[in-house]
Amino acid sequence: EPEVTQTPSHQVTQMGQEVILRCVPISNHLYFYWYRQILGQKVEFLVSFYNNEISEKSEIFDDQFSVERPDGSNFTLKIRSTKLEDSAMYFCASRKPGGDTGELFFGEGSRLTVL
Amino acid sequence: GENVEQHPSTLSVQEGDSAVIKCTYSDSASNYFPWYKQELGKRPQLIIDIRSNVGEKKDQRIAVTLNKTAKHFSLHITETQPEDSAVYFCALKAGANNLFFGTGTRLTVIP
Repeated sequence: EPEVTQTPSHQVTQMGQEVILRCVPISNHLYFYWYRQILGQKVEFLVSFYNNEISEKSEIFDDQFSVERPDGSNFTLKIRSTKLEDSAMYFCASRKPGGDTGELFFGEGSRLTVL
Repeated sequence: GENVEQHPSTLSVQEGDSAVIKCTYSDSASNYFPWYKQELGKRPQLIIDIRSNVGEKKDQRIAVTLNKTAKHFSLHITETQPEDSAVYFCALKAGANNLFFGTGTRLTVIP
């Protein structure tokens, strides 16, 4: 069964460093998302992406964050200058095109630790 | 983002008993309400969903009910088993097809 894959599974970085988290969505999906989950808390929406542009973003997704689909398969989240509070699990998700289906398929997550 | 309140935050039940988790929301335009199960250290996985044109949906031991007038929806798990132990998140679709999640319920099924 096709899955969303994410790399790295865990990244440790120093505060102020740039981080890029990578995702390969399911191949026939057209909607892509990043969510984050601080340890023990709920899953929070960051950004959605469709047709090569951001379709919606939350207040968490400030100027330090950016997303890109550099080629036909990868979807990346960049944090320009990491802060301690960016430490969290970051989940990529994707969704089929069209119609009524709303199911998001999540990757296994990338755990980011900012020291 | 959309505010989704979820209760209880923790729930312990004896194996074989039922578990009920409830979520309330405020955006009347929401029309899709999924429930996700997240085991420790794993990704959230969809277990059941309901759309606003129905009031109840059942899949084996799991059921979801939706009251659009009162703006709440609930997850019901019957005949609970130890492997049902996990964190359960309600969610709803709002905005441009985005999901907003509740705060989660940690369910523990005691053998």
